[in-house]
Amino acid sequence: GAVVSQHPSWVICKSGTSVKIECRSLDFQATTMFWYRQFPKQSLMLMATSNEGSKATYEQGVEKDKFLINHASLTLSTLTVTSAHPEDSSFYICSATILGHYGYTFGSGTRLTVV
Amino acid sequence: GDSVTQMEGPVTLSEEAFLTINCTYTATGYPSLFWYVQYPGEGLQLLLKATKADDKGSNKGFEATYRKETTSFHLEKGSVQVSDSAVYFCALSKPSGGSNYKLTFGKGTLLTVNP
Repeated sequence: GAVVSQHPSWVICKSGTSVKIECRSLDFQATTMFWYRQFPKQSLMLMATSNEGSKATYEQGVEKDKFLINHASLTLSTLTVTSAHPEDSSFYICSATILGHYGYTFGSGTRLTVV
Repeated sequence: GDSVTQMEGPVTLSEEAFLTINCTYTATGYPSLFWYVQYPGEGLQLLLKATKADDKGSNKGFEATYRKETTSFHLEKGSVQVSDSAVYFCALSKPSGGSNYKLTFGKGTLLTVNP
């Protein structure tokens, strides 16, 4: 079946530094990838939708300059948290799908802790 | 806009008990409906889905029927196991511009099954 690999699974960084999270579709070409943020004991909040080769579409309230999303190929999307602060600490999850297809495959998530 | 409402947890059951987690939705048109499961520290896994009214999704002993008349997609399992302990998310999917399909999640229900 479809597999999405998300890396790293956890990361600790200092305030003010940037962190990059990768999301790869291993056995299919993902035309669309989604990035979510999940707070403790809460649901997933969609941050942005990225289509291969075009700029990401950000949800209202999500700072595009802080959460940089790149979807340079059909198998790789990256989320870079720039100038991280403790309030950016969260669980980030990506998912991938194929254009016009309603099926989604999720990565295993990345636990980001900013100290 | 579209929304998903699911019963608030946490839900605590004894092994072999019957499980029901209620889910209702609000959406125009004909969404597809999903149940996802999230085990501690992991991403989401698709549990089951239904794409049209009266469809029944089933997997690993779990079932849910797409009821358009009541706009519901309740999750049921006849006999839960300790290994079913997880957070369960109800979700719907509809086209969201450019043939992208965006998932809308409920808030999640934490299920704990005791031996």
